[in-house]
Order: sequence, then structure tokens, then C-alpha cells
Amino acid sequence: GAGVSQSPRYKVTKRGQDVALRCDPISGHVSLYWYRQALGQGPEFLTYFNYEAQQDKSGLPNDRFSAERPEGSISTLTIQRTEQRDSAMYRCASSLGTGPVGELFFGEGSRLTVL
Amino acid sequence: ILNVEQSPQSLHVQEGDSTNFTCSFPSSNFYALHWYRWETAKSPEALFVMTLNGDEKKKGRISATLNTKEGYSYLYIKGSQPEDSATYLCAFKAAGNKLTFGGGTRVLVKP
Repeated sequence: GAGVSQSPRYKVTKRGQDVALRCDPISGHVSLYWYRQALGQGPEFLTYFNYEAQQDKSGLPNDRFSAERPEGSISTLTIQRTEQRDSAMYRCASSLGTGPVGELFFGEGSRLTVL
Repeated sequence: ILNVEQSPQSLHVQEGDSTNFTCSFPSSNFYALHWYRWETAKSPEALFVMTLNGDEKKKGRISATLNTKEGYSYLYIKGSQPEDSATYLCAFKAAGNKLTFGGGTRVLVKP
């Protein structure tokens, strides 16, 4: 596709369930970022990958959150045993290179609601 | 923890007026400073990426300056129009590190 694609766009789940959010970056983009964004706030860093290697996962809130990008393309953010406080917009972004000038291209986000 | 601060959090501008706002970031280990424009219900879109101290970038009526030694960047909007209403996000990248966003400045241009 032409842009960054995220699925599902909307996810409503019950507390305690596991969810998996998928990101399909722009073809050929090396870096892939996951952010969480509360209403009216700037994106909060979760984790990022260069190719298939997870470079930094310092923003993952706790060990219920994990991410993978096994073949250096599609990435999955998994939240286990969801809690209400996990409700947010989860945004994925990709950039062509790993250098300083690689602007991020964002997907439309996955809005997660935990009941 | 990288501290990226934006001020003010929000501002109202009369149509036709010019305005500017600030992004401050760590002055050490600088790699790049990004500006994004984010309209409600859409995804953030890149405006500028700046890497050199003293850099100035311009796109139409919007421009940005960069001071890496003191750790700040200004975004300017000249002759604001209602379509400039959006949240403007800056993001700091340290060498070999992640892109960290500020909280944004929400701009509302009143006709």
C-alpha cells in the first residue's frame, strides 16, 4: 500500500483479554515506531525497530506489553491481560532510514477501548 | 528520560495575525529536530526536519528555526488562516536514539 496501514482501526475488548495490534509500514521503510496517544496529547513513545531488531523498548509501560517485527516489515504490538488504563489510540509510524532526516509517516491508528 | 517541552500548550490567533511558539529540548547529543502538524481525527504529518544549528526551513506561510546550542526551536505562522488550526508537535532525536515528541501546541485561528 501507499501508506502505513494499521489494523484493527477500532478494538473494544473486555478487561483481562489479550489484544494484538498490527502495523504494515510503507514498503522499504527501515524504522518502525509504536506510540500511544491520549486525547489532545503528543505521542508517547513505546518502542521502535530498525529492520527486525528492537532498538529500544524503554517506553513499554510494563511486561504486559510486547512488540515484534520478525521479518523487518509488519509489526505486532501485543497487550496481554488488558486493563482499562490501556485504553488509548495506538499509532504506528515508519521512516525510510535510520538517520536524522527520516521523517515519520504515521498510520491512522488503532483505537483501543478496554471495558 | 528526554525532556521535550512545548509552549504554550494552546493559543488563539486572530485570522491574519502572525504567531510563533517554542519547542525546547536537550542541548546535548543532538541529532535532529522534527516538526509535525496534526489535525484532529487525522494522523500527524511532517512539516520540517532540521539537523544543523541555525537551520531555517520554510513551507508557505510556516517557517521554523533551530538553535541546538541552547536547545530550542521556534515555529512561526505568518498571516494565520483558519486552515492553520491544528496541533503542532515537535520531536527530538538524539544520536542513535528514539524520536521523542513534545506535548504539542494547539493553535486555533479565529475568523
